[in-house]
Amino acid sequence: AQSVAQPEDQVNVAEGNPLTVKCTYSVSGNPYLFWYVQYPNRGLQFLLKYITGDNLVKGSYGFEAEFNKSQTSFHLKKPSALVSDSALYFCAVRPRHSGSARQLTFGSGTQLTVLP
Amino acid sequence: ETGVTQTPRHLVMGMTNKKSLKCEQHLGHNAMYWYKQSAKKPLELMFVYNFKEQTENNSVPSRFSPECPNSSHLFLHLHTLQPEDSALYLCASSPIGQGAYEQYFGPGTRLTVT
Repeated sequence: AQSVAQPEDQVNVAEGNPLTVKCTYSVSGNPYLFWYVQYPNRGLQFLLKYITGDNLVKGSYGFEAEFNKSQTSFHLKKPSALVSDSALYFCAVRPRHSGSARQLTFGSGTQLTVLP
Repeated sequence: ETGVTQTPRHLVMGMTNKKSLKCEQHLGHNAMYWYKQSAKKPLELMFVYNFKEQTENNSVPSRFSPECPNSSHLFLHLHTLQPEDSALYLCASSPIGQGAYEQYFGPGTRLTVT
């Protein structure tokens, strides 16, 4: 069975500093990996995904994520944080060859707070 | 905001009430999902529908009854709920296939059971 771990419930960073939100996964084979963001009282919004190729994936709002196969990690990064980036971030995984099981497995979420 | 809408956005119901949540997607997708999001817990996948057929039921209590009349609409019928069922209920949709398709989420219905 696949699983996703987001080891930090809360990440605080000062505005303008780089941010990292960590994600590690456990799944057989090479998975598809996703990051979503959720603002208060809203649904999840897709940020980026890793399919294949370059280990550094660029996504929306200046976010990027680095896929590391040996460490089974897919950490979300941004070079310069904005106060408006404050939200709940979810990592998700889906096995590449999942037959009829197309659902995503989500991590427990990391609350990012960017301090002005 | 997205091509997935949910109504109502907020719902308060007693334990003896019957209510329904509605989801509609305008993205031409053929897979639809119901998730439950409770505080301090990971998203829980409840049901999956592919081409209107239910393909996944993750041991959800029978007081939750889904309905998918077509690929664009998804309902969640609620009856005799418990206070622990209070949560944000999210609907999502996606294309069907083996590709790396992301799911598109609606804004959710905030349900409070009193």
